[in-house]
Amino acid sequence: GAVVSQHPSRVICKSGTSVKIECRSLDFQATTMFWYRQFPKQSLMLMATSNEGSKATYEQGVEKDKFLINHASLTLSTLTVTSAHPEDSSFYICSASDRYAVTEQFFGPGTRLTVL
Amino acid sequence: QQPVQSPQAVILREGEDAVINCSSSKALYSVHWYRQKHGEAPVFLMILLKGGEQKGHEKISASFNEKKQQSSLYLTASQLSYSGTYFCGTELDRGSTLGRLYFGRGTQLTVWP
Repeated sequence: GAVVSQHPSRVICKSGTSVKIECRSLDFQATTMFWYRQFPKQSLMLMATSNEGSKATYEQGVEKDKFLINHASLTLSTLTVTSAHPEDSSFYICSASDRYAVTEQFFGPGTRLTVL
Repeated sequence: QQPVQSPQAVILREGEDAVINCSSSKALYSVHWYRQKHGEAPVFLMILLKGGEQKGHEKISASFNEKKQQSSLYLTASQLSYSGTYFCGTELDRGSTLGRLYFGRGTQLTVWP
């Protein structure tokens, strides 16, 4: 199956700093990538949809100025958590798909963010 | 937009069967089922499209009732490896949402030897 990677897998940062998370599709072109956040023992909450070459579409309640998304190429999307605070600590997971194909979303391994 | 999953948790003995349900108040285009182990990313199990269908994957199968906007995941003769949290992800009208998935709260399945 298709492979999606995320980097870093784990990051610890101080409150007020910014953190960038990369999501890459390794063996296919992802016209669309999705970013999710998951708190312990809870569901995956969709944050935003990232389309290559255009602005991301954010879900209601997600601050677009705080969670900056860039989808610069068909294989790379980045999520930057700006001015991170302890409440932003979570498991961030990306997924990728070909928007024109009825197919599953391929999930990355996730990034564990801890803000001190 | 989040679908409702039931039950919240299931405990089984190896070899027993289980059913996990997923229902939505919105019209669905597709339903995706995933299994997630602790600390890992979700792993795709299967996708069902509107039109009502049933699919099978080894001893795991699923159905999608379009009229009721409900899907059920069937695990038969459960194995220890089936343990994990099962999520259904629902996709609404594809034209407007373009593949966005909204996940249920999950069903934690534990299989004991």
